[in-house]
Amino acid sequence: DVKVTQSSRYLVKRTGEKVFLECVQDMDHENMFWYRQDPGLGLRLIYFSYDVKMKEKGDIPEGYSVSREKKERFSLILESASTNQTSMYLCASSPMLGTTSGGSYNEQFFGPGTRLTVL
Amino acid sequence: GQQVMQIPQYQHVQEGEDFTTYCNSSTTLSNIQWYKQRPGGHPVFLIQLVKSGEVKKQKRLTFQFGEAKKNSSLHITATQTTDVGTYFCAGSDDYKLSFGAGTTVTVRA
Repeated sequence: DVKVTQSSRYLVKRTGEKVFLECVQDMDHENMFWYRQDPGLGLRLIYFSYDVKMKEKGDIPEGYSVSREKKERFSLILESASTNQTSMYLCASSPMLGTTSGGSYNEQFFGPGTRLTVL
Repeated sequence: GQQVMQIPQYQHVQEGEDFTTYCNSSTTLSNIQWYKQRPGGHPVFLIQLVKSGEVKKQKRLTFQFGEAKKNSSLHITATQTTDVGTYFCAGSDDYKLSFGAGTTVTVRA
């Protein structure tokens, strides 16, 4: 089974702190994604990466950055946390477009999520 | 950019009844996926539809993809308490998915 793990289930930080959220997948997937989930808004894409050292902005990248130094690891960075970044953060991975490894075409596998509270 | 709208936002269902949740896109999609998120859990992939007019069934769940590939629906028959959760559709025009806001389902026993 594909496993996507996230470094913390719950995290409490103060305004202005630098925050690192780590995500690791064990299925050699090329694509990795960071979403935030807020009530009534569904999942909104922050950043995604289709290869090591590659990154693309999603729909709401402001206030965030990412790092992908190794294929299995995708980090989300909040340079200076603010209260409006209090949310559930979900990481996901998927196989490369057109492949069927690990499941259906383009299926995304999600981690358990990190609930971040910024005070 | 691509937007995916999902209705209703909430669905309260009597156990044993049927219900449908709908997903509409502002643009033509290459495929659409459905996910289920149990309370306290993370989204889990249910199914993907690729062809225009495609219909797929998983036990009591029936998924449809519209002829124009701009809308989709999920119909659940004889709702059970195990169906509780939030159902998301996600439309793709490449390898980027856009998620709908989800339909949160509660079941009255």
